[in-house]
Amino acid sequence: DQQVKQNSPSLSVQEGRISILNCDYTNSMFDYFLWYKKYPAEGPTFLISISSIKDKNEDGRFTVFLNKSAKHLSLHIVPSQPGDSAVYFCAANEGSQFYFGTGTSLTVIP
Amino acid sequence: DGGITQSPKYLFRKEGQNVTLSCEQNLNHDAMYWYRQDPGQGLRLIYYSQIVNDFQKGDIAEGYSVSREKKESFPLTVTSAQKNPTAFYLCASSIDGGDRAFGPQHFGDGTRLSIL
Repeated sequence: DQQVKQNSPSLSVQEGRISILNCDYTNSMFDYFLWYKKYPAEGPTFLISISSIKDKNEDGRFTVFLNKSAKHLSLHIVPSQPGDSAVYFCAANEGSQFYFGTGTSLTVIP
Repeated sequence: DGGITQSPKYLFRKEGQNVTLSCEQNLNHDAMYWYRQDPGQGLRLIYYSQIVNDFQKGDIAEGYSVSREKKESFPLTVTSAQKNPTAFYLCASSIDGGDRAFGPQHFGDGTRLSIL
């Protein structure tokens, strides 16, 4: 059973606009959440994370929001750039294990 | 440069053969992980190891085996018992494999395994 879900397989956004990627989870024991970016034929690279004690974490153009009551997190990219085109995975941590969503493929159109 | 090295990048296997995928890290991380990625699916955990000479099964361990004889190395063997081994395999590591894995995972670039 998928504990971390990304319901949008793909997203297209114009350059300069905001990209919003969403992620839902079912396990209330998750206490650390991460976003990864993945290019084809490469491993994922870490982008940004958030602890469950916070509801927002910002790093440059990237902001992650956490809504614990809704078991929902989102990644905002502002402004979006063509180099942001990649697959984005959200992940959640419990103990020593990480659980990944199925990914959202973001295309930023120049 | 510190990082994780997976080799080979592409691997072909005949049916009935075992094959071993290499994963080496020089990040001094305690925990190491093996994931499998199939089209349209997220990363699924095969095995993980929090410390040398110890490892735990993940969600899809059947048909796979691992060893952790050194901190920096975590090879994965895909045995002939794995009925559908064609996939993209990713190795990862993270700091502090105690009761909680701190910090993000660092990933290698993966090995794509195909059956001839």
